[in-house]
Amino acid sequence: NAGVMQNPRHLVRRRGQEARLRCSPMKGHSHVYWYRQLPEEGLKFMVYLQKENIIDESGMPKERFSAEFPKEGPSILRIQQVVRGDSAAYFCASSPPIGQEKTTNTEAFFGQGTRLTVV
Amino acid sequence: KNQVEQSPQSLIILEGKNCTLQCNYTVSPFSNLRWYKQDTGRGPVSLTIMTFSENTKSNGRYTATLDADTKQSSLHITASQLSDSASYICVVSAGLSGGYQKVTFGTGTKLQVIP
Repeated sequence: NAGVMQNPRHLVRRRGQEARLRCSPMKGHSHVYWYRQLPEEGLKFMVYLQKENIIDESGMPKERFSAEFPKEGPSILRIQQVVRGDSAAYFCASSPPIGQEKTTNTEAFFGQGTRLTVV
Repeated sequence: KNQVEQSPQSLIILEGKNCTLQCNYTVSPFSNLRWYKQDTGRGPVSLTIMTFSENTKSNGRYTATLDADTKQSSLHITASQLSDSASYICVVSAGLSGGYQKVTFGTGTKLQVIP
Protein backbone atom coordinates (compact mmCIF):
# COMPACT_ATOMS: atom_id res chain seq x y z
CA ASN A 1 0.00 0.00 0.00
CA ALA A 2 1.83 3.05 -1.24
CA GLY A 3 1.68 6.20 0.81
CA VAL A 4 0.29 9.52 -0.32
CA MET A 5 1.90 10.30 -3.66
CA GLN A 6 2.42 13.83 -4.84
CA ASN A 7 3.81 14.87 -8.18
CA PRO A 8 5.75 16.53 -9.38
CA ARG A 9 8.16 16.83 -6.44
CA HIS A 10 9.58 20.03 -7.90
CA LEU A 11 7.86 22.41 -10.28
CA VAL A 12 9.26 25.58 -11.83
CA ARG A 13 6.91 28.03 -13.49
CA ARG A 14 7.33 31.47 -14.97
CA ARG A 15 5.12 34.28 -13.71
CA GLY A 16 1.73 34.13 -15.39
CA GLN A 17 1.82 30.39 -16.14
CA GLU A 18 -0.42 27.78 -14.60
CA ALA A 19 0.70 25.24 -12.02
CA ARG A 20 -1.02 21.89 -11.52
CA LEU A 21 -0.16 19.85 -8.47
CA ARG A 22 -1.37 16.28 -8.13
CA CYS A 23 -2.08 14.20 -5.07
CA SER A 24 -2.96 10.53 -5.08
CA PRO A 25 -4.27 9.55 -1.64
CA MET A 26 -3.53 6.29 0.08
CA LYS A 27 -5.63 3.36 -1.03
CA GLY A 28 -9.00 3.45 0.65
CA HIS A 29 -8.72 7.12 1.63
CA SER A 30 -11.51 9.36 0.41
CA HIS A 31 -10.55 12.60 2.16
CA VAL A 32 -7.80 14.90 0.98
CA TYR A 33 -6.35 18.03 2.56
CA TRP A 34 -4.05 20.57 0.90
CA TYR A 35 -1.59 22.73 2.83
CA ARG A 36 0.88 25.40 1.87
CA GLN A 37 4.18 25.97 3.64
CA LEU A 38 6.21 29.09 2.97
CA PRO A 39 9.95 28.94 3.70
CA GLU A 40 10.66 28.90 7.44
CA GLU A 41 6.92 28.96 8.24
CA GLY A 42 4.36 26.46 9.47
CA LEU A 43 1.80 24.57 7.43
CA LYS A 44 -1.27 26.58 6.48
CA PHE A 45 -4.53 24.82 5.69
CA MET A 46 -5.94 25.51 2.26
CA VAL A 47 -8.75 23.12 1.40
CA TYR A 48 -10.41 19.89 2.51
CA LEU A 49 -12.05 17.68 -0.09
CA GLN A 50 -13.98 14.48 -0.27
CA LYS A 51 -14.56 12.68 -3.56
CA GLU A 52 -16.37 15.17 -5.82
CA ASN A 53 -17.05 17.52 -2.89
CA ILE A 54 -15.31 20.49 -1.32
CA ILE A 55 -15.89 20.24 2.42
CA ASP A 56 -13.96 23.31 3.59
CA GLU A 57 -12.12 25.82 1.41
CA SER A 58 -11.73 28.53 4.03
CA GLY A 59 -7.95 28.60 3.55
CA MET A 60 -7.97 28.99 -0.22
CA PRO A 61 -7.11 32.37 -1.72
CA LYS A 62 -10.21 33.76 -3.41
CA GLU A 63 -8.59 34.14 -6.80
CA ARG A 64 -6.39 32.00 -9.02
CA PHE A 65 -6.52 28.92 -6.78
CA SER A 66 -8.85 25.98 -7.22
CA ALA A 67 -8.93 22.35 -6.11
CA GLU A 68 -10.80 19.28 -7.14
CA PHE A 69 -10.97 15.62 -6.18
CA PRO A 70 -12.82 13.79 -8.95
CA LYS A 71 -14.50 10.43 -8.61
CA GLU A 72 -11.61 8.87 -10.52
CA GLY A 73 -8.01 10.03 -10.44
CA PRO A 74 -5.92 12.20 -8.17
CA SER A 75 -6.80 15.41 -6.42
CA ILE A 76 -5.56 18.46 -8.30
CA LEU A 77 -4.56 21.83 -6.87
CA ARG A 78 -4.50 24.35 -9.67
CA ILE A 79 -2.88 27.77 -9.50
CA GLN A 80 -3.54 30.07 -12.42
CA GLN A 81 -1.32 33.01 -13.42
CA VAL A 82 1.28 32.22 -10.79
CA VAL A 83 3.17 35.00 -9.04
CA ARG A 84 6.45 34.91 -7.12
CA GLY A 85 4.56 34.84 -3.82
CA ASP A 86 3.09 31.46 -4.75
CA SER A 87 6.53 29.88 -4.38
CA ALA A 88 6.16 27.43 -1.53
CA ALA A 89 5.94 23.76 -0.65
CA TYR A 90 2.45 22.36 -1.13
CA PHE A 91 1.58 19.30 0.92
CA CYS A 92 -1.31 16.94 0.55
CA ALA A 93 -2.64 14.66 3.27
CA SER A 94 -5.27 11.94 3.06
CA SER A 95 -7.41 10.13 5.56
CA PRO A 96 -9.92 7.28 5.40
CA PRO A 97 -13.68 7.82 5.52
CA ILE A 98 -14.63 9.29 8.84
CA GLY A 99 -17.46 7.71 10.76
CA GLN A 100 -20.28 9.49 12.46
CA GLU A 101 -18.43 9.33 15.78
CA LYS A 102 -16.94 12.79 16.09
CA THR A 103 -14.21 11.72 18.50
CA THR A 104 -12.66 9.27 16.08
CA ASN A 105 -8.89 9.14 16.02
CA THR A 106 -8.65 9.05 12.27
CA GLU A 107 -5.09 9.29 11.09
CA ALA A 108 -4.02 11.62 8.30
CA PHE A 109 -0.95 10.77 6.25
CA PHE A 110 1.12 13.30 4.36
CA GLY A 111 2.82 13.18 1.00
CA GLN A 112 6.35 14.48 0.48
CA GLY A 113 5.13 17.72 -1.01
CA THR A 114 5.54 19.62 -4.26
CA ARG A 115 8.00 22.48 -4.20
CA LEU A 116 6.78 25.20 -6.51
CA THR A 117 9.22 27.86 -7.62
CA VAL A 118 7.96 30.80 -9.62
CA VAL A 119 10.66 32.62 -11.58
CA LYS B 1 -11.83 30.93 16.33
CA ASN B 2 -9.91 27.65 16.48
CA GLN B 3 -6.28 28.22 17.35
CA VAL B 4 -3.26 26.10 18.23
CA GLU B 5 -0.26 27.73 19.85
CA GLN B 6 3.07 26.06 20.39
CA SER B 7 6.02 26.96 22.53
CA PRO B 8 8.86 27.47 22.38
CA GLN B 9 9.23 28.53 18.75
CA SER B 10 12.70 27.06 18.67
CA LEU B 11 14.88 25.07 20.99
CA ILE B 12 18.51 23.94 21.03
CA ILE B 13 19.53 21.08 23.29
CA LEU B 14 22.55 18.86 23.75
CA GLU B 15 22.46 15.31 22.49
CA GLY B 16 21.29 12.94 25.20
CA LYS B 17 19.24 15.55 27.06
CA ASN B 18 15.46 15.50 27.48
CA CYS B 19 13.10 18.24 26.37
CA THR B 20 9.39 19.09 26.49
CA LEU B 21 7.41 20.93 23.85
CA GLN B 22 4.09 22.61 24.65
CA CYS B 23 0.83 22.97 22.75
CA ASN B 24 -2.20 25.00 23.86
CA TYR B 25 -5.38 24.93 21.82
CA THR B 26 -8.79 26.49 21.61
CA VAL B 27 -10.49 24.07 19.25
CA SER B 28 -14.09 23.06 19.63
CA PRO B 29 -15.63 20.56 19.52
CA PHE B 30 -12.45 18.64 20.17
CA SER B 31 -11.95 15.45 18.21
CA ASN B 32 -8.29 14.50 18.48
CA LEU B 33 -4.79 15.90 18.89
CA ARG B 34 -1.78 14.74 16.93
CA TRP B 35 1.91 15.44 17.09
CA TYR B 36 3.87 15.34 13.85
CA LYS B 37 7.60 15.47 13.15
CA GLN B 38 8.68 17.28 10.01
CA ASP B 39 12.24 16.92 8.81
CA THR B 40 13.51 19.74 6.61
CA GLY B 41 12.22 19.34 3.08
CA ARG B 42 9.98 16.38 3.93
CA GLY B 43 6.31 15.84 4.67
CA PRO B 44 5.14 15.60 8.29
CA VAL B 45 5.15 12.16 9.87
CA SER B 46 2.75 11.25 12.65
CA LEU B 47 4.20 10.55 16.09
CA THR B 48 1.12 10.19 18.28
CA ILE B 49 -2.63 10.70 18.15
CA MET B 50 -4.88 11.11 21.19
CA THR B 51 -8.61 11.41 21.62
CA PHE B 52 -10.51 13.04 24.45
CA SER B 53 -10.31 10.02 26.74
CA GLU B 54 -6.55 9.52 26.43
CA ASN B 55 -4.13 11.54 28.54
CA THR B 56 -0.82 9.98 27.59
CA LYS B 57 0.60 8.07 24.66
CA SER B 58 4.13 6.93 23.93
CA ASN B 59 5.98 6.16 20.74
CA GLY B 60 9.52 5.08 21.56
CA ARG B 61 11.36 8.02 23.07
CA TYR B 62 8.39 10.31 22.41
CA THR B 63 5.66 10.67 25.03
CA ALA B 64 2.67 12.92 24.49
CA THR B 65 0.30 14.05 27.21
CA LEU B 66 -3.12 15.63 26.89
CA ASP B 67 -5.11 17.59 29.45
CA ALA B 68 -8.50 18.11 27.84
CA ASP B 69 -9.68 20.29 30.75
CA THR B 70 -6.95 22.89 30.38
CA LYS B 71 -6.64 22.24 26.61
CA GLN B 72 -2.95 21.63 26.81
CA SER B 73 -0.68 18.99 25.38
CA SER B 74 3.02 18.34 25.70
CA LEU B 75 5.51 16.23 23.78
CA HIS B 76 8.40 14.92 25.83
CA ILE B 77 11.51 13.64 24.06
CA THR B 78 13.81 11.45 26.12
CA ALA B 79 17.54 10.99 25.53
CA SER B 80 17.55 13.17 22.43
CA GLN B 81 19.47 12.13 19.34
CA LEU B 82 20.85 14.20 16.47
CA SER B 83 18.13 12.73 14.24
CA ASP B 84 15.49 14.36 16.45
CA SER B 85 16.42 17.71 14.90
CA ALA B 86 13.22 18.70 13.12
CA SER B 87 10.06 20.75 13.46
CA TYR B 88 7.41 19.32 15.76
CA ILE B 89 3.87 20.25 14.90
CA CYS B 90 0.79 20.00 17.09
CA VAL B 91 -2.41 19.42 15.12
CA VAL B 92 -5.88 19.55 16.64
CA SER B 93 -9.03 18.34 14.90
CA ALA B 94 -12.55 19.59 15.52
CA GLY B 95 -15.55 17.48 14.64
CA LEU B 96 -17.86 19.07 12.11
CA SER B 97 -21.41 18.08 11.35
CA GLY B 98 -21.70 15.11 9.05
CA GLY B 99 -18.70 13.41 10.62
CA TYR B 100 -16.09 15.61 8.94
CA GLN B 101 -13.09 17.05 10.74
CA LYS B 102 -11.57 20.51 10.62
CA VAL B 103 -7.84 20.43 11.24
CA THR B 104 -5.91 23.30 12.82
CA PHE B 105 -2.11 23.31 12.75
CA GLY B 106 0.25 24.90 15.22
CA THR B 107 3.20 26.78 13.74
CA GLY B 108 5.59 24.21 15.17
CA THR B 109 8.62 24.10 17.42
CA LYS B 110 11.95 23.89 15.65
CA LEU B 111 14.22 21.59 17.62
CA GLN B 112 17.95 21.41 17.06
CA VAL B 113 19.97 18.72 18.81
CA ILE B 114 23.69 19.45 18.91
CA PRO B 115 26.55 17.07 19.76
